[in-house]
Parts: sequence; C-alpha cells; structure tokens
Amino acid sequence: KAGVTQTPRYLIKTRGQQVTLSCSPISGHRSVSWYQQTPGQGLQFLFEYFSETQRNKGNFPGRFSGRQFSNSRSEMNVSTLELGDSALYLCASSPGVTDTQYFGPGTRLTVL
Amino acid sequence: AQSVSQHNHHVILSEAASLELGCNYSYGGTVNLFWYVQYPGQHLQLLLKYFSGDPLVKGIKGFEAEFIKSKFSFNLRKPSVQWSDTAEYFCAVSYNTDKLIFGTGTRLQVFP
Repeated sequence: KAGVTQTPRYLIKTRGQQVTLSCSPISGHRSVSWYQQTPGQGLQFLFEYFSETQRNKGNFPGRFSGRQFSNSRSEMNVSTLELGDSALYLCASSPGVTDTQYFGPGTRLTVL
Repeated sequence: AQSVSQHNHHVILSEAASLELGCNYSYGGTVNLFWYVQYPGQHLQLLLKYFSGDPLVKGIKGFEAEFIKSKFSFNLRKPSVQWSDTAEYFCAVSYNTDKLIFGTGTRLQVFP
C-alpha cells in the first residue's frame, strides 16, 4: 500500500498570505490528523478528522482550519500567515480513531 | 493537564552500547503508548506500541519498551545500538483514545 502523501513538500510564503496543504491518507484509512512540528515546541496536535467531521481540535488560533473530503483526503488552511507559522506540518492517517497513526513526510512551510 | 515527558534531550553513545530512553506521562485514564522514530531526512515511523496485554512490547529493529503502570513510564530500550540508530525518538500517549500527545523528543547520536 502507498503511504501517506502530502503536497506540496516545500512552500515559501510571505506574512499575511494564506496557504493550503493537502494530505492523502493510506487507502482505506478514514481518520486524518494534522500536527505542527517546530524545534521549540516539538510536535503539537492541530486537528483530527474522521468521516468528514472534525473530531478533535488542538490549541491553535482560528487562522488554522481544515477539512476532510468524502474520499478521506484532507486539507488544512492557514490564513494571514505569521513568521511563527514556519514549521513542518505533518499529516497522519489511521483506519479508525483508536488505531495507530501513520505519518506522511510533511510539508515544510517557510514564512518570510 | 495531560502531558508526556522525555527527560533525555540529547544522548550520545558508541556503537554496541546499551540504550534506555525515558518516557513518563501524567495520569489521565486509559492510555495507549507509542514510540516513534524520525531518521535524518525521513518521516516519523512507528517503532512500537502498547495498547494492552504484556507490558513488555517488542518493536522493529531490536527495540523494546516496558509499560510500568505504577510509575507512569514507558521507557524505550535496545541492548546494543548501531550507527544507523542515529535519529530522534518521540514518545507519544493517547489518553482515552483521544488525540496523540507527544514528548519533546530525544536526539540520539551513535558514533562508530
């Protein structure tokens, strides 16, 4: 089976812009979670989707949003980018909400 | 608050040395426990997991971990490390089948 794929792999934006990141889960997986990884804060949970519904949300401002489509693919959007949003954004998928999560390679976002 | 602590931030070992990385979590109900590894330039991979049953779990590449409920610990061990084990190791906990909470990670460097 193909693993979790994320596009794009690298992204450079400027402050104030918005960005959309995409995640395709492993075939058959219905749960998708998003994490932000930074050297200072480590891995922090953003949100989790299951069957197109947001099941859980982390402590991030409303500028961070996401959605899941009927084919389980997910997108996350960050509006009004700030320098501090520079990070590696990781997507993970699992068959169900209580199962082991498998991670994608991440999207490296740099905000200038 | 639910949290995960990894006390060793940076560990340096010679090949063939034994490894033990600490992981402690705060009390919060039923837990599922994980160790993930991130090799340089690669994505997070699952090393091993504990959901229930035998508290000594074996993972890939000769790693094992022991769940000690009374100590709220899930330490990772390997009897003899190799240069290829150089990576960052993350302990993660899911409380009551909720989102994953990650520790800050331990950077392991193994010298030949």
